[in-house]
Amino acid sequence: DQQVKQNSPSLSVQEGRISILNCDYTNSMFDYFLWYKKYPAEGPTFLISISSIKDKNEDGRFTVFLNKSAKHLSLHIVPSQPGDSAVYFCAENYGGSQGNLIFGKGTKLSVKP
Amino acid sequence: GAGVSQSPRYKVAKRGQDVALRCDPISGHVSLFWYQQALGQGPEFLTYFQNEAQLDKSGLPSDRFFAERPEGSVSTLKIQRTQQEDSAVYLCASRPLQGMNTEAFFGQGTRLTVV
Repeated sequence: DQQVKQNSPSLSVQEGRISILNCDYTNSMFDYFLWYKKYPAEGPTFLISISSIKDKNEDGRFTVFLNKSAKHLSLHIVPSQPGDSAVYFCAENYGGSQGNLIFGKGTKLSVKP
Repeated sequence: GAGVSQSPRYKVAKRGQDVALRCDPISGHVSLFWYQQALGQGPEFLTYFQNEAQLDKSGLPSDRFFAERPEGSVSTLKIQRTQQEDSAVYLCASRPLQGMNTEAFFGQGTRLTVV
């Protein structure tokens, strides 16, 4: 069973509107989550993270929300820009001090001009 | 260089051939990870090193896969007797510290195609 689930394989949003990408997790032991962005033919690049001591972390246009009771996190991008079009991966830090990352399958975001 | 470097970028191997994929992590990074990413999937964990010690190899799909990091810097992922199901992008990532709350930095990956 997948530990990190991204149930929407794709999302299409108009430029200037909000993009909301969702992620659910099953493992409660480790409580540090990350979002990565991936363009074709490139490696994933780190976007934003959140630990369980917070329920929100904001960085410019990007905000991540964590709902521990629901084991759910979401990434909000506002306003969305065409350059945000990419695949977004949610990842859970797993393994304590070893810090292995377990990834979801990703959501492909398309921002239309 | 400033980032994680992987070589080659692309590799085409005939079925049954052995391949070696190289990863140069960011200088000074303690942790190094290998991931396999199949088409349409997220990166799947293969193995993890802390310095030269391979602490977790639970994700390696078969004994044809072998990874090493002998001096605690450069790492090599070797696949013996490649099969078509090995076709994927192999990603290497490094992390500066052992602790939890740091992000991993990824290389651009090696796309392996087994024909």
